Amino acid sequence: AQSVTQLDSQVPVFEEAPVELRCNYSSSVSVYLFWYVQYPNQGLQLLLKYLSGSTLVKGINGFEAEFNKSQTSFHLRKPSVHISDTAEYFCAVSEVDFGNEKLTFGTGTRLTIIP
Amino acid sequence: DAGVIQSPRHEVTEMGQEVTLRCKPISGHNSLFWYRQTMMRGLELLIYFNNNVPIDDSGMPEDRFSAKMPNASFSTLKIQPSEPRDSAVYFCASSLRTGGPNQPQHFGDGTRLSIL
Repeated sequence: AQSVTQLDSQVPVFEEAPVELRCNYSSSVSVYLFWYVQYPNQGLQLLLKYLSGSTLVKGINGFEAEFNKSQTSFHLRKPSVHISDTAEYFCAVSEVDFGNEKLTFGTGTRLTIIP
Repeated sequence: DAGVIQSPRHEVTEMGQEVTLRCKPISGHNSLFWYRQTMMRGLELLIYFNNNVPIDDSGMPEDRFSAKMPNASFSTLKIQPSEPRDSAVYFCASSLRTGGPNQPQHFGDGTRLSIL
């Protein structure tokens, strides 16, 4: 079974400053990794995904993440945040098993942008 | 393109009543997922279907919960009888399973359920 740890439950950041949201995972097999964003009163939207290949993955809204297999991490970064980035961010993992589509989510990180 | 559509968006009912949540997946998607989100437990997978067949229901909390997918364009999650501890936001998501790497799941806007 896999698990995901998002150590930071809340991250306040000043507008136009950089941000990193941390995600670590645990699994006995190879994994796919995802970051989702949830705006208030909405469902989750996919920001980016890592399936294979380049370990640096670029997503929507200027976000990127880097897969580090040795550190079992998939941290999310943005060089300059905007007020509109205020939301909750979820890291998720699924096993590389084409018969298993289950996603395991972290507990989320609430990103608050300070004007 | 229409996304995943859930109804109702909000439901308030009294303990003991039957609750039915509905979901219409994205057209062409063949996998459907039901999640529950609470402050205490975060986002939990309740059950998922592929080609209308339940694949994994290990997350369904107890017999009071049941889910069906009678066809490719509709699914229900039913709670009978409902209890206050069932209060949560319930999300439906769908994806296209191709036999290759897992495709992203697309989420609806959720149903906020309050059991009084």
